[in-house]
This record gives sequence, C-alpha cells and structure tokens, in this order.
Amino acid sequence: GQSLEQPSEVTAVEGAIVQINCTYQTSGFYGLSWYQQHDGGAPTFLSYNALDGLEETGRFSSFLSRSDSYGYLLLQELQMKDSASYFCAVKGSNDYKLSFGAGTTVTVRA
Amino acid sequence: DGGITQSPKYLFRKEGQNVTLSCEQNLNHDAMYWYRQDPGQGLRLIYYSQIVNDFQKGDIAEGYSVSREKKESFPLTVTSAQKNPTAFYLCASSIGDSPYEQYFGPGTRLTVT
Repeated sequence: GQSLEQPSEVTAVEGAIVQINCTYQTSGFYGLSWYQQHDGGAPTFLSYNALDGLEETGRFSSFLSRSDSYGYLLLQELQMKDSASYFCAVKGSNDYKLSFGAGTTVTVRA
Repeated sequence: DGGITQSPKYLFRKEGQNVTLSCEQNLNHDAMYWYRQDPGQGLRLIYYSQIVNDFQKGDIAEGYSVSREKKESFPLTVTSAQKNPTAFYLCASSIGDSPYEQYFGPGTRLTVT
C-alpha cells in the first residue's frame, strides 16, 4: 500500500513564501502530483513530478527527490486566493490509481 | 465548454435506501474515477474505470457499485450496505495515459439520516 504525510495546517501572510512537504512510502513509485482544493470545491491539478528536480509553473513550484521519498510544493508571492487545501498524491503502481495525502490547509492573512 | 458534471449538488436520503450519483464528462477521457472525501481528510478511491465496460475496485469499494456502459458516464450507486454513506463524493476523469492529472467534477454532498 501507500502512505503519505503532509502537515495539516500552514498560515502565512500575503506576499510570503510557503513550502508544503510531502513524504511518502510506497511499494512502487511512478510520480507525485499536487492538487489544490478550495473549501467546498473540486480539486484542481497543479503539477506532476516523475523525475527528481524542480518544476516551476508561475508562482507555484514542485520538487521531487525519489531517493528521499520526498517532495514539496512551493507557493510564492502568496495571495489571499491561495487560501485552500493542498494535497499530494502518489502514483505508486502501473495502474490508474492515485493515493492522496490528508491535505494541508493553507491560510493566507492580510 | 468541456468538463465534468455531477448532479445533484446536495442529496438527502433515508437510511436503508440505495441512491445513485450521476457523473458525466464531455472531455473524451477514457478513464473515470469515484472518490469519497470526509471532513479534514484526503480523497479515498472507491472505483475506477479505464475503458468502457470495465472497472476496478479502489480502496473502499464495499457498499458501492458502478457501471460504465458509455464513455461519457460513470454513475455510482451507494447501497444500503454502506455503513457510513454520509460524505462528499467526487467524480474525476483523465486522459488514458495520464492518470496523475485528473479533472474533477463539482461533487455531490450526500447526507443519509
């Protein structure tokens, strides 16, 4: 099976930088995804890392270290609209299943 | 506009009744998924389907059933055997070779009393 750990809550001010860590334990590994979910809404896909290194998409970046079974999502220049829950999800097998972490609630304060 | 629709947004049922949640997509995606989300928790996979007329159990399939008769549709039935059915149900789809990038519907919040 798979297990993922991420912090439950993070609070920061507008304009700050937040890093959300995700450590995973899987029997196999194909990649790590990140999703954003606003309260009561649908999750939306942010990024996917299959190889080690940093992927940058605008203000958001995602990093993966397969040797450490670790990844993070970096949110830069925080805006109020970034207040949401962020989930890491691992594709740990050669099928269509994703296993999600419990999520990190990010609260951005003025 | 392409997307995934789920209906209804809110659903109320009495204990002991089966209920079917609708999920339709016009993205031409091969794969579809059903997740359950409980307060403060991540998404747990109930069932998924890679192609029409084929589906597999996820991590918490007990008390649920699905069908995939059309590419666009993947309805979920919550049966009376599901011991704790009150939850937020999310349907998703993905391109066949990109299951890591899933597109989600707006969800159905089911309350069973």
